Order: sequence, then C-alpha cells, then structure tokens
Amino acid sequence: GAGVSQSPSNKVTEKGKDVELRCDPISGHTALYWYRQRLGQGLEFLIYFQGNSAPDKSGLPSDRFSAERTGESVSTLTIQRTQQEDSAVYLCASSLAPTQETQYFGPGTRLLVL
Amino acid sequence: LAKTTQPISMDSYEGQEVNITCSHNNIATNDYITWYQQFPSQGPRFIIQGYKTKVTNEVASLFIPADRKSSTLSLPRVSLSDTAVYYCLVGYNNNDMRFGAGTRLTVKP
Repeated sequence: GAGVSQSPSNKVTEKGKDVELRCDPISGHTALYWYRQRLGQGLEFLIYFQGNSAPDKSGLPSDRFSAERTGESVSTLTIQRTQQEDSAVYLCASSLAPTQETQYFGPGTRLLVL
Repeated sequence: LAKTTQPISMDSYEGQEVNITCSHNNIATNDYITWYQQFPSQGPRFIIQGYKTKVTNEVASLFIPADRKSSTLSLPRVSLSDTAVYYCLVGYNNNDMRFGAGTRLTVKP
C-alpha cells in the first residue's frame, strides 16, 4: 500500500517568508509525528498528533512553528518568518497507534532558507 | 525520557558480523527498545524491537540483558548496503522516544 508522502520534496525560500509543509500519513494511522533533521545530525522531535489533537507540542522550537491535522489524516507544518537556522529536512512519520507501534517515515521535505 | 548512549561511528568489512551496543541506564519498566536504520536522503526505517532477552527477525537480532540497562543490535554478515546510521530508542509512547545522533556504520569492501 501507499506509504507516508510529503510535499514539497524540496523548498527554497527567502528569509522572512512563511512556508507550509504537508504530510499525508498511511491511511488508518491515528498517530502522526513531525521531526526536524539538520545536516549530519539526528532527528529532533517537534510535535505529535493523536487523531486531530496534539497532546505533545514540546519539541516546537519557537512560536513561529505550528502544525495542524485535519480529518485524522493530512497534517501541515507551518513555519512563519523563516530564518536561516530553519534550514533542515523535515520528516513526518505515522503509526497505527501511539505506543510501541512502528513509525513509518516519509521521504522528508528539504527546506533551504536563503 | 530515557536517555540512550551509543557509539558515534563504527567501521566493518563485508561479511563480518556487526554488534552495536546502546546504553540506557534509566530505562523504565514499561519501556521497549527499538532500533531504526537511516540511509542518506531517506527517512528512518524500523529494524527491530524488543523488551527483554533476545529477538530475531530476518534482518537483525537484538540482545537485551536481564537488567535491561543496555542492548546490542547484531547485524549478521553485513554488506556494503548496510552502510547507514543506526538509532537506538527507548520508550513506551512513540512521542517519548528520542532519536539521538545514532551510530554511523560504514561497511568497507
């Protein structure tokens, strides 16, 4: 079946602009996660959704970052007034349930802020 | 959140068995141990998960001692295509599990 998809695959933007990153999880997966990965580094947890609710937003680095999920499906990560330090790969994952179940990752969106 | 410690990098040769050890001294009773593999320009991929003793699947084995304060991922007879970063995660809820820097495994011919 279809895996996790993300769009766009690459995004180049200018400092100060807003960007929206999209994640389409595997159908039926109730849990959805966003991570950020800077070049050569590990994954940094950003936010987790159970259904359409976000019980854990602890990883969002600043109030410029926000995310929403609708229809227990698609999720959008929005970065307002982008900064150069926001440049990274943003990865989305989904799992059947939030505990122990395997996380399936998308290919990521590579964001470059000039 | 249970913290994990694993080597930053390891080198191996084709055909050898590779063992990557992860320390997790403050693992909680409910926590599971999960390993992921990440190739360049891809998202991580699940390898194996265990709670105690030994787990084996078609890709790897996971050895967990009785005190569960560490675990060892064993990759039998590695090939060049096993070159990747391997992450050890500990937790019960997925959102409590943290991907650290991982172990960068390089398999040489």
